Amino acid sequence: DTGVSQDPRHKITKRGQNVTFRCDPISEHNRLYWYRQTLGQGPEFLTYFQNEAQLEKSRLLSDRFSAERPKGSFSTLEIQRTEQGDSAMYLCASSSGQVTTDTQYFGPGTRLTVL
Amino acid sequence: GEDVEQSLFLSVREGDSSVINCTYTDSSSTYLYWYKQEPGAGLQLLTYIFSNMDMKQDQRLTVLLNKKDKHLSLRIADTQTGDSAIYFCAEIYNDYKLSFGAGTTVTVRA
Repeated sequence: DTGVSQDPRHKITKRGQNVTFRCDPISEHNRLYWYRQTLGQGPEFLTYFQNEAQLEKSRLLSDRFSAERPKGSFSTLEIQRTEQGDSAMYLCASSSGQVTTDTQYFGPGTRLTVL
Repeated sequence: GEDVEQSLFLSVREGDSSVINCTYTDSSSTYLYWYKQEPGAGLQLLTYIFSNMDMKQDQRLTVLLNKKDKHLSLRIADTQTGDSAIYFCAEIYNDYKLSFGAGTTVTVRA
């Protein structure tokens, strides 16, 4: 068990460009989550997958954002036509989906800076 | 509502106890969590408590839960310099959505 990994760790882009982030969950975790954290704030929920199915998307996730988990393993988060307001830390988490304690374990995050 | 509140800053002397407080909103939350974040890093799960418990102890960490007042606290005994970080409390909605406070920045001074 190597924990949740995210790639890249840092991304600097110019306004208007598209970016894609990858998350690899803990193996055999069937739930995967994306959160966004801006400076001085706690993480905010963006979206959630149960296996390959995306079950909820926050209103924070505008039309420019899309997330996929095609085979129920890794996930990608794409932001199209980036804006300066998209600058944040994007955190991925995974959990086993157990009925009792379904603890979410977080990755190191991808820090996005939009110039 | 989804509005977890925490005090923003705490300064503590090395070796003393730290107490971080949090109020949450949803009395039906089944679990409440404490996470730690060091600069530039992701969130590390510290501990959690089931909503039908009043207290949970895990080595230097003690969690107290007052369901009536929706108040959660984390006590760190014998605080060390490595405990300097941001601490987040979180409640869970609908079995999957974590709602976090803004975090308490703990500074440990020698």
